[in-house]
Amino acid sequence: ETGVTQTPRHLVMGMTNKKSLKCEQHLGHNAMYWYKQSAKKPLELMFVYNFKEQTENNSVPSRFSPECPNSSHLFLHLHTLQPEDSALYLCASSREDGPNTEAFFGQGTRLTVV
Amino acid sequence: GENVEQHPSTLSVQEGDSAVIKCTYSDSASNYFPWYKQELGKRPQLIIDIRSNVGEKKDQRIAVTLNKTAKHFSLHITETQPEDSAVYFCAAKGNNDMRFGAGTRLTVKP
Repeated sequence: ETGVTQTPRHLVMGMTNKKSLKCEQHLGHNAMYWYKQSAKKPLELMFVYNFKEQTENNSVPSRFSPECPNSSHLFLHLHTLQPEDSALYLCASSREDGPNTEAFFGQGTRLTVV
Repeated sequence: GENVEQHPSTLSVQEGDSAVIKCTYSDSASNYFPWYKQELGKRPQLIIDIRSNVGEKKDQRIAVTLNKTAKHFSLHITETQPEDSAVYFCAAKGNNDMRFGAGTRLTVKP
């Protein structure tokens, strides 16, 4: 275990559903990330939060909405998804959003959009 | 922003042989270069990293080299074993987010 926990591990949702992914870490890290991993693309950075403030939003569609209520929790709210959004969603955290910092990954949520 | 390229995308070696994976990056400000191993169905985990103030680092059968002038770094695995089979990701990080390469699927044949 790396100390980063994601729930649920698997999620199947329809295109009209609304669901949320949760990530939690108690490592004392203050930067948290959402990555998308699909067969076609490498680890694709979606969002970065540093000290609860969003610092990066890499042109992610608005049907993905992140929320970071505190430095230990990160959510990804999903609505009106498309089948091509099916992928493994990985959360990661690091000590700070600066250089020389290792990222610890959660186990991921396998999302299937039907 | 940073762009990381990784080669090859797949690599198959015989047990006991060496494996080399290469990455290039574009942002000269990047100064931290980790390597992650992702086994099937599991999360990526850090196996080794190198910072820009050193050119080489070794940990048992794994070594990384960094050439800052040429902006490339490599992972070397010697005496490969079947349990080394996995997807390996390189990454580069400066002051902002960590960018990953496309991954290399390594298969070690017994």
